[in-house]
Amino acid sequence: GENVEQHPSTLSVQEGDSAVIKCTYSDSASNYFPWYKQELGKRPQLIIDIRSNVGEKKDQRIAVTLNKTAKHFSLHITETQPEDSAVYFCAASKNNDMRFGAGTRLTVKP
Amino acid sequence: NAGVTQTPKFQVLKTGQSMTLQCAQDMNHNSMYWYRQDPGMGLRLIYYSASEGTTDKGEVPNGYNVSRLNKREFSLRLESAAPSQTSVYFCASSAQVSGNTIYFGEGSWLTVV
Repeated sequence: GENVEQHPSTLSVQEGDSAVIKCTYSDSASNYFPWYKQELGKRPQLIIDIRSNVGEKKDQRIAVTLNKTAKHFSLHITETQPEDSAVYFCAASKNNDMRFGAGTRLTVKP
Repeated sequence: NAGVTQTPKFQVLKTGQSMTLQCAQDMNHNSMYWYRQDPGMGLRLIYYSASEGTTDKGEVPNGYNVSRLNKREFSLRLESAAPSQTSVYFCASSAQVSGNTIYFGEGSWLTVV
């Protein structure tokens, strides 16, 4: 099955700086790559996603890039704010089988 | 429109006991999922159901069984609970169209002692 690796496991940045989280996947047939944000004690919630026919997607301060050849994708958060502090998960999906990375705990220091 | 609803929210079991986690979605989604979440290990897929009448194993199916009762409901059963099954369990659903955005329930905290 699909294997998704995510780095780093923890990330600490100063408010206003950028944060980058990277993921790799193993199955070249995966065609959908969402990113989820999970606050403490809450459910994961989708923040952005990208499909395999697109190389980059942006939504305000959040962007995702996909390199199909290298089988990796990244989440970029600019102008970070304390409320961005959470655990972020990447995922890769083929058909109805979605596998997640182990998560990145992002801390934004005021 | 409640989205994905799962019960119970909290449960303590003794080793060897059985229990069923219930999940229902009201979004008319075809696909449903059960994940478990453990510290440092992300969300691991236990079982999924691509459509009513079908179920498939994920990456950690051992010790679990599932039933897709109808389009709305997907239950997860622990026949003989073990301490290693202490975890947070999330049910989820997706529309099964290109994109497969998954929507999660609020989670069920299960402790096996």
